[in-house]
Amino acid sequence: GQQVMQIPQYQHVQEGEDFTTYCNSSTTLSNIQWYKQRPGGHPVFLIQLVKSGEVKKQKRLTFQFGEAKKNSSLHITATQTTDVGTYFCAGRRSSNTGKLIFGQGTTLQVKP
Amino acid sequence: DAGVIQSPRHEVTEMGQEVTLRCKPISGHNSLFWYRQTMMRGLELLIYFNNNVPIDDSGMPEDRFSAKMPNASFSTLKIQPSEPRDSAVYFCASRSSRMNTEAFFGQGTRLTVV
Repeated sequence: GQQVMQIPQYQHVQEGEDFTTYCNSSTTLSNIQWYKQRPGGHPVFLIQLVKSGEVKKQKRLTFQFGEAKKNSSLHITATQTTDVGTYFCAGRRSSNTGKLIFGQGTTLQVKP
Repeated sequence: DAGVIQSPRHEVTEMGQEVTLRCKPISGHNSLFWYRQTMMRGLELLIYFNNNVPIDDSGMPEDRFSAKMPNASFSTLKIQPSEPRDSAVYFCASRSSRMNTEAFFGQGTRLTVV
C-alpha cells in the first residue's frame, strides 16, 4: 500500500539554527499537505502543494514539492521556541480520493 | 463554526469493556476520517467516509473496531471488547472533498485501557 516516510524522527536544535524535515512517498502524489501538532494538541494544517517543483513560503517556513511529486521538504530558517512541535506531511495519491496518508512526523525541540 | 467536536476528551476503561468515541464534523464537510495516534506507530488512518459512506476501512485493526456514520453530522468509533494495546489518542477529522481543502482535526479522545 501507499507509504509516506518522513525523516528525521526527532531533531533538537539551538534557537536560531535552521531545521529541515523530509518526506518521501512510495507512489506519485496528487498533492501533499503539511501539518503542525503542538505538544498535547491536534494537527493543524499549514499548507498544500500541488504542482511539480512547487515552492511556497510562509515567513520563515519554506515548503517544496519534488519534480516527480514523490517527495517534499519543510525548511525552517532561524528556529524559535514557538516552532516546537511535530511536523507531519500528508499525501494524497489521487485528486479523486480523500484518503490522506500521514508520515510518521518529525518532532522538533528548540533549545533557547 | 465550533470546528470538529469529539467526545469524550478522555476515557479510562477496563479491559474488555465497550468504548464508543463520538465525532461531530464541521457543517458542510462531506468527508470524515478517524485516525489513531501512538508514539510507536504515529498517526494511522483507520477509516474514512465520503458522503456518510465508508470508502476505505483497510486501516481498521481488527473486528473489535467498528465505525458508523448514520448522518452527515455524526460519527462513532466503537471498540468492543477493548484491550490495553488500544490505548492511544483517537482523532476525528473532516474536510470538504468538493473544495479539495485541508483536513480539520478535532481535539482528540485520549483513551486508556487498563
